[in-house]
Amino acid sequence: GAVVSQHPSWVICKSGTSVKIECRSLDFQATTMFWYRQFPKQSLMLMATSNEGSKATYEQGVEKDKFLINHASLTLSTLTVTSAHPEDSSFYICSARDSRQGPEAFFGQGTRLTVV
Amino acid sequence: AQSVTQPDIHITVSEGASLELRCNYSYGATPYLFWYVQSPGQGLQLLLKYFSGDTLVQGIKGFEAEFKRSQSSFNLRKPSVHWSDAAEYFCAVGAPSNTGKLIFGQGTTLQVKP
Repeated sequence: GAVVSQHPSWVICKSGTSVKIECRSLDFQATTMFWYRQFPKQSLMLMATSNEGSKATYEQGVEKDKFLINHASLTLSTLTVTSAHPEDSSFYICSARDSRQGPEAFFGQGTRLTVV
Repeated sequence: AQSVTQPDIHITVSEGASLELRCNYSYGATPYLFWYVQSPGQGLQLLLKYFSGDTLVQGIKGFEAEFKRSQSSFNLRKPSVHWSDAAEYFCAVGAPSNTGKLIFGQGTTLQVKP
């Protein structure tokens, strides 16, 4: 159990376009989802926390208008990178947690975004 | 400020040798502690976690970690390294009051020599 799936695994998009990444909890209800960003050879940095049905809470320095997060259901959160630029190229990873079940969050496999 | 430090950016060990990866944290209270492994281009795999109780935690793939409150450390160990253990290792902490939101260390790259 506790499987989190991200889609797509990798995506290439043109500069100026928007791209959507999905994060799904397959066998549990995710009351909270987290989005992280990882630059090459670096650690993971939390971008935002989203609770189902509420607006996401963004970490300091993360542009909420650029990284749109929607958590409309208990099994799906989406991250949309709007007007993507090459500097947005990164590895994006989500994690999901059911706060009613326990303290641990479970990670998706990540999405490699390349903006050309 | 809350932080996690992995002092060793890169470690090389011979196959069959023992391994210890260091992790120190700065936190107001005892946090939840995690070790993850990441292969190139892949997501994170949880090796082990500590929430409470026995301070020596057993994980998958023969790994273990020991929580030492006095040293604010949570070092990862393996008695005999296999070539397949070569990867990036991340230590992470989470607040007991808001688990799921994690602060990660910088990571340690493990290289295994044949």
